[in-house]
Amino acid sequence: AQSVTQLGSHVSVSEGALVLLRCNYSSSVPPYLFWYVQYPNQGLQLLLKYTSAATLVKGINGFEAEFKKSETSFHLTKPSAHMSDAAEYFCAVTFHSNFNKFYFGSGTKLNVKP
Amino acid sequence: DVKVTQSSRYLVKRTGEKVFLECVQDMDHENMFWYRQDPGLGLRLIYFSYDVKMKEKGDIPEGYSVSREKKERFSLILESASTNQTSMYLCASSLGTVGGYTFGSGTRLTVV
Repeated sequence: AQSVTQLGSHVSVSEGALVLLRCNYSSSVPPYLFWYVQYPNQGLQLLLKYTSAATLVKGINGFEAEFKKSETSFHLTKPSAHMSDAAEYFCAVTFHSNFNKFYFGSGTKLNVKP
Repeated sequence: DVKVTQSSRYLVKRTGEKVFLECVQDMDHENMFWYRQDPGLGLRLIYFSYDVKMKEKGDIPEGYSVSREKKERFSLILESASTNQTSMYLCASSLGTVGGYTFGSGTRLTVV
């Protein structure tokens, strides 16, 4: 069975501090992995994706994530948090043979303190 | 700019009403999806469609149906709305696996 686990439903960091949002997946076939961001009362916006090329993936707004097969992880990081990063972040997994059906984690709300 | 447009941002309906949520995409995408989003539960797939007139049940299809008569439009139907269907509904489309989803802005439905 395929699934995604996001550790920590709420994460709080100070402005300028490192952001680390955790995502682990379960899969019996090679996965494609995505991070999305959702601002209040909006839809989800793609941050970055891993699709079997480079394992370190850079996305928008200074975020990046590293695919680690041995750890079945795809953690999202940003070296220095900005107030505008406050949002909810979702990790998602899909597979090539799956009609593009995604499995989403339950989300992590990031709070950035001044 | 490519778009997925959901017809309503906020909707209030009465219990027992038949409710239509409309979603239109202008990207010629084959795949379209309906999710509902609830606090602490993330996104749960209701139905999806990979072609015109084709539909597949997702994880929580009970109480819902869908219609895809044209490639660009995917409608979610609540046959008889109930209060436990109060939620944020998100439509998404995709061309294939690698590109990921493009989401609409969502419809916040309240059933009273």
